[in-house]
Amino acid sequence: SQTIHQWPATLVQPVGSPLSLECTVEGTSNPNLYWYRQAAGRGLQLLFYSVGIGQISSEVPQNLSASRPQDRQFILSSKKLLLSDSGFYLCAWEGQGAGNTIYFGEGSWLTVV
Amino acid sequence: GQQLNQSPQSMFIQEGEDVSMNCTSSSIFNTWLWYKQEPGEGPVLLIALYKAGELTSNGRLTAQFGITRKDSFLNISASIPSDVGIYFCAGQLKGGSEKLVFGKGTKLTVNP
Repeated sequence: SQTIHQWPATLVQPVGSPLSLECTVEGTSNPNLYWYRQAAGRGLQLLFYSVGIGQISSEVPQNLSASRPQDRQFILSSKKLLLSDSGFYLCAWEGQGAGNTIYFGEGSWLTVV
Repeated sequence: GQQLNQSPQSMFIQEGEDVSMNCTSSSIFNTWLWYKQEPGEGPVLLIALYKAGELTSNGRLTAQFGITRKDSFLNISASIPSDVGIYFCAGQLKGGSEKLVFGKGTKLTVNP
């Protein structure tokens, strides 16, 4: 069966420090991968999606970047964090078969101080 | 961009009551999905709908893909305290990209 994991689960980072959130998917190949941000426990904002290795599409201009160095690995990064980058970040992969079904990871809480 | 109108925004109910929430759009969708998110966790898929008119149940949960393909509802029967959380609808637009469009969520509170 397919599984998705992201880490770290929580982190507190100072303003101006770098960020790296990692996500891996097991049990499937060539999945579509997504990074979402959720503020104040409501609403999911799509940040990046990837249809293959090295292929990244950005939905909104921001202080973050994404990379997909391997088929089942998706990384969210920042060179210098801003206070406004705080939030709950969710990685997700898209299921195969009928329809388009997205499955989410456990989420990562980022607090920028 | 395309939007889903999800309502109500929040609900406060007594344990044992039935719950109904819905999502509507002016656009036609190929797929409707319903998720539940508990505090500090990622959303979990509850029900997936792929055909207009489809009615699917998952325990006490029932969801339907509207005949017009522009709406979907989720019902929860005989609510219990563990039903609390935020429920999201999501859909894939007909003829659109593969990315899903999400509603803004319905926050459910169940009083014991």
